[in-house]
Amino acid sequence: GAVVSQHPSRVICKSGTSVKIECRSLDFQATTMFWYRQFPKQSLMLMATSNEGSKATYEQGVEKDKFLINHASLTLSTLTVTSAHPEDSSFYICSATRNSNQPQHFGDGTRLSIL
Amino acid sequence: AQTVTQSQPEMSVQEAETVTLSCTYDTSENNYYLFWYKQPPSRQMILVIRQEAYKQQNATENRFSVNFQKAAKSFSLKISDSQLGDTAMYFCAFMNPNSGNTPLVFGKGTRLSVIA
Repeated sequence: GAVVSQHPSRVICKSGTSVKIECRSLDFQATTMFWYRQFPKQSLMLMATSNEGSKATYEQGVEKDKFLINHASLTLSTLTVTSAHPEDSSFYICSATRNSNQPQHFGDGTRLSIL
Repeated sequence: AQTVTQSQPEMSVQEAETVTLSCTYDTSENNYYLFWYKQPPSRQMILVIRQEAYKQQNATENRFSVNFQKAAKSFSLKISDSQLGDTAMYFCAFMNPNSGNTPLVFGKGTRLSVIA
């Protein structure tokens, strides 16, 4: 089956550090990737939609300068949390899809902890 | 805009018994997809079952089945012969394929505990 790889799985770093998270589709071309954020015991909250070769579409309330998204190829999207602060600590998870008639496949998520 | 409602924040079931998780949604679309995802403590998102709205037949995957009532906009998940490994958060999700690659719209989730 389709596999999406997300790295790193766990990050602990100091406040002010920028952190890059990668999302790769391993055996299919993902025209679209989605980035979600999940707080403890809550549902997934969509942050942005990333289409290959174009600028990401951010959801209302998500700072695009804080959360930089790049989707330079059909198999890789990256989320960079710039100048991270403790309030950015969360679980970030990506998903990828070939097209609208195929299910989305999720990465295993990244647990980000900012000290 | 589409919305998904899961009215049961938590549920529990005895091992080997059957449990039903409820989900309702709101949409003006006629063609769409519905999903149930399982998120165990590892926090992986695992697709349990998928239903296309144009199919009247309820989807089934081994011990998991759905009761899809399109007119009522209801999409419940039935887990038969519950196992300890079924303990997880379960999310109902909606997707509209009519506008290209659109994101999933999730409900708030139901935390299911299977008790030995």
